[in-house]
Amino acid sequence: EVQLLESGGGLVQFGTSLKLSCTPSGSSFGIYALGWVRQAPGKGLEWVSSISGTGTTYYADSVKGRSTISRDNSNNILWLQVNSLRANDTAIYFCAQERSGHFEYWGQGALVTVSS
Amino acid sequence: QSMLTQPPSASGTPGQRVTISCSGSSSNIGGNFVSWYQQLPGTAPKLHIYDNNQRPSGVPDRFSGSKSGTSASLAISGLQSEDEADYYCAVWDDRLKGWVFGGGTKLTVL
Repeated sequence: EVQLLESGGGLVQFGTSLKLSCTPSGSSFGIYALGWVRQAPGKGLEWVSSISGTGTTYYADSVKGRSTISRDNSNNILWLQVNSLRANDTAIYFCAQERSGHFEYWGQGALVTVSS
Repeated sequence: QSMLTQPPSASGTPGQRVTISCSGSSSNIGGNFVSWYQQLPGTAPKLHIYDNNQRPSGVPDRFSGSKSGTSASLAISGLQSEDEADYYCAVWDDRLKGWVFGGGTKLTVL
């Protein structure tokens, strides 16, 4: 079973940037697509961004134009950078490994709090 | 507002069968596989159903999924107290070129 670990969360200022990372424990990402899903306090799940094994990227409208998802297949690292942070970016950010049409494995999440 | 519509809550007594619905459109459920996730309080979501009706290893066979047209359902039979959780449906949307999640259903075991 793949275990994923996010890092880079914390308290950040409104209007600044944040870069989250995700690494697998005890295995590699392989060729699978990877994604980020967030959950605002007390709210449901919201897909943020995904990247295929070959680097094709997809973004939700809520972050399009101010976010970049990237991966380093050699070093097994996934990143998500979000710029111009807003209050409604406050959420737990989960990284997840996609397999053939579903999110197979999830990390425990990294809390991002945007303060003014 | 979610692209997929789920009832906000559902409930049942131990041993009962409950069903949670997920309504979408031709650009998502109508043409792609649906997956379901269980989220216990304070934890990460966990895959419970994929490809509309397949169970990952370790998920009890009390959980089943189905799809018809632009709607999908998750059924839980023989309800147990440990099934109390939030449940989310998800599917790729061909028009949006992204994933969409349902708003989530809070299941209460009475």
